[in-house]
Formats: sequence, C-alpha cells, structure tokens
Amino acid sequence: SQQGEEDPQALSIQEGENATMNCSYKTSINNLQWYRQNSGRGLVHLILIRSNEREKHSGRLRVTLDTSKKSSSLLITASRAADTASYFCATDRIPGGGNKLTFGTGTQLKVEL
Amino acid sequence: DTEVTQTPKHLVMGMTNKKSLKCEQHMGHRAMYWYKQKAKKPPELMFVYSYEKLSINESVPSRFSPECPNSSLLNLHLHALQPEDSALYLCASSLGQGGSTNEKLFFGSGTQLSVL
Repeated sequence: SQQGEEDPQALSIQEGENATMNCSYKTSINNLQWYRQNSGRGLVHLILIRSNEREKHSGRLRVTLDTSKKSSSLLITASRAADTASYFCATDRIPGGGNKLTFGTGTQLKVEL
Repeated sequence: DTEVTQTPKHLVMGMTNKKSLKCEQHMGHRAMYWYKQKAKKPPELMFVYSYEKLSINESVPSRFSPECPNSSLLNLHLHALQPEDSALYLCASSLGQGGSTNEKLFFGSGTQLSVL
C-alpha cells in the first residue's frame, strides 16, 4: 500500500494565490521530501525535512511536519503559472530506510492566469 | 554537471524484442535507482544500486534485468515485456554516502516505453 497519501488529488487556483497540499503517511520516518514533476518529465527535488524538524522554508515554499499526526504540508505562496505541475511527498521508513524512498499519490496543481 | 541523462526518450517495442534503457550521471553519486511510473500515478521503486552492487530489488519480474557497469552508468535490459509494462521509466541518483537516508534524488527525464 502507499506510504503517503496526498490531498487534494487536484487543485486549481489563480495566479498569485497560495496553494496548500497535504501528505499523510503510515509508518515512522527518517525524513520527508517533496518533489515536483512537470507533465511527462522527471521529478525535481524541492525540499527535505528531517523527522526532528517541524518547519522548513525555501523561497516561496514552506513545509511543515507533524510526526505525531504522521502528516506534512507544502505551501506555495504567490503561485505562478510555472508552478503548474504534480507534487509528490516521499518518505523513507524506519526500519529499512537506506535509499528506499516511497512516493505518495501526488497532487496535481494547476495555476491559471 | 548536475544532470542525469536517460536514453532513449521514447521506445516502442514488441513483446518478443530485447531492448535496453540507459542512464548516465557524472556527479560522483554512488547510489542509482530505477523507478517505474504509470500515467497519473506515483513513481514505484524497482531497483537500487549502491556502490555498483544491487542493494534493493522490489520483487521485479525477471523480464527486467538491471546492470551497473560502473559508477556512472546504469542500464535496464528489457526482454519479453507485456503491454502492461508500458510506462515512464525513470532513473535517479543520489550521493549514496554511507547509507545516509537524508539524501535527495536527482532524476532523469525518463524513457516513455510502449509495449505492443
């Protein structure tokens, strides 16, 4: 079964608005990562948050992690049309972490002009 | 050079064909991965190589055969595939230092495979 479930599955907003995506997972983790994928392309790493961190920022991105609820959120502020993509959370599990990332179901974001 | 290069970008093959997907990186990464992604689904891990040795095989059918000739190259040999194997095949790499889990993956653009 999927380690990560994301919601919403799809999100459509206007340029300039904020977009929030949520990820829930089932088992204990070492870290949680977020990736972006443009249609039919490879994934691009956005941000990594460790299990002992609660919040992390990178440019217009803000990620939170709540290990007690086994959930994370990705906030994109002041969205742009170029942010249109699918966004995936990815976790590595305890035990058996190593290099074994498991991706969540993904959120398709569409930012309209 | 922060790129992972995959060839070919598109591949159409019959069920009796033998073909290979290639992946190359020159970032000095020691962990390399194959993922399979169906349309509108997340990537699913197939294989992980660590220091040129196969470290993870996610119970992938034997018609998929990975190979890591050296630290920069990763191949995926395909033989007797089924139409349901049609998907985007993604290669990725990471530093692979000492089994650290806090590593980001660098992905190639993928090979879109169609099996007829």
